[in-house]
Amino acid sequence: ETGVTQTPRHLVMGMTNKKSLKCEQHLGHNAMYWYKQSAKKPLELMFVYSLEERVENNSVPSRFSPECPNSSHLFLHLHTLQPEDSALYLCASSQEWGSEGVVRRNTEAFFGQGTRLTVV
Amino acid sequence: GQNIDQPTEMTATEGAIVQINCTYQTSGFNGLFWYQQHAGEAPTFLSYNVLDGLEEKGRFSSFLSRSKGYSYLLLKELQMKDSASYLCAVMDSNYQLIWGAGTKLIIKP
Repeated sequence: ETGVTQTPRHLVMGMTNKKSLKCEQHLGHNAMYWYKQSAKKPLELMFVYSLEERVENNSVPSRFSPECPNSSHLFLHLHTLQPEDSALYLCASSQEWGSEGVVRRNTEAFFGQGTRLTVV
Repeated sequence: GQNIDQPTEMTATEGAIVQINCTYQTSGFNGLFWYQQHAGEAPTFLSYNVLDGLEEKGRFSSFLSRSKGYSYLLLKELQMKDSASYLCAVMDSNYQLIWGAGTKLIIKP
């Protein structure tokens, strides 16, 4: 397999369920991201992992919990979600570079096809 | 605040040329990206501009004017497969990507 793969492609869950989204990248990148994409809205960055360490958490509710066990895998654990959390969840990866503690990310990101999540 | 503006939807005819504009106001600038996203699929990278001017890549070209906070994506010889959403994103001074809401391009025969 090549690129970035996400599973499942579609998920319907109740508000009391617990589920996990999985992302795997085969590109040798050192950074991975979770985005939320809602209809007619800009992509919302949720989490960034750089070298398996979470470096950004953009005020995401605690009902979303990320996990990055290694540089190739990323999970998003979901629990007690709300209907407004229904959206397309996209995983992406890229290669970061930099020195002296300054991280550069102006390289293209490669996206997975996303998980279409519906909360009922 | 930081803001990216692009038209919500555009319609063009097969074989024609279309220009999709993007204006931005961000805290600093470290490049502008264009991505293409077909319905139900992953966004895919089209272009990256960090210096002023036009970058041509086959049927697609991307232009940047940093002084005006403006970019456009030019698509020539439109094909039905070009029907997609086109996302503009700017990397700010903290290397954070700020995304536009995307422009849905509809190609008619």
